[in-house]
Amino acid sequence: DAKTTQPPSMDCAEGRAANLPCNHSTISGNEYVYWYRQIHSQGPQYIIHGLKNNETNEMASLIITEDRKSSTLILPHATLRDTAVYYCIVRGLRNQGGKLIFGQGTELSVKP
Amino acid sequence: SAVISQKPSRDICQRGTSLTIQCQVDSQVTMMFWYRQQPGQSLTLIATANQGSEATYESGFVIDKFPISRPNLTFSTLTVSNMSPEDSSIYLCSVVGGSGYTFGSGTRLTVV
Repeated sequence: DAKTTQPPSMDCAEGRAANLPCNHSTISGNEYVYWYRQIHSQGPQYIIHGLKNNETNEMASLIITEDRKSSTLILPHATLRDTAVYYCIVRGLRNQGGKLIFGQGTELSVKP
Repeated sequence: SAVISQKPSRDICQRGTSLTIQCQVDSQVTMMFWYRQQPGQSLTLIATANQGSEATYESGFVIDKFPISRPNLTFSTLTVSNMSPEDSSIYLCSVVGGSGYTFGSGTRLTVV
């Protein structure tokens, strides 16, 4: 799977949009971009994933650049409960027996 | 999404002893994954457990230290053997389902 690079930490004001970047310059054509988050002392939680089109669900939006070398996770109206570590993961659907490999992630702090 | 019940949620163990962690899923799944999360670190994959075959271990993890059972499609156990303080971590199981992976709430292990 392609390697991802994320900033180690970010701050965001409550009620504002949180934009979390991820670089994945070596992504291949059949690899998806997945986002998970881990709130303190809990297991990781799936947020969203996409291949090349932008995606939106009830939690977030995922913007993937046209060359697919980077993406941005957008939390449109961040709340204090969105404080967590956010992981960007690139993987193919049938690679390596299906395992999910985590990088270091971005620690997002939402402040009042 | 699948619902995972992981037990125990936490434990404090003496060095040299072993602890078995259980992971129960509410639906049948082909693959189950075991992760370790050391304090302040990201998740590291220990092994992939398939029903009816031996688990596949990642580099740095061995069966003697982390034996895994997978007796059926809804259950798996991970044993942390001959524990030392360095084994103090959160251990999580995970399954593939729907559009993403679901994680248990984790077992917080402290070895004294």
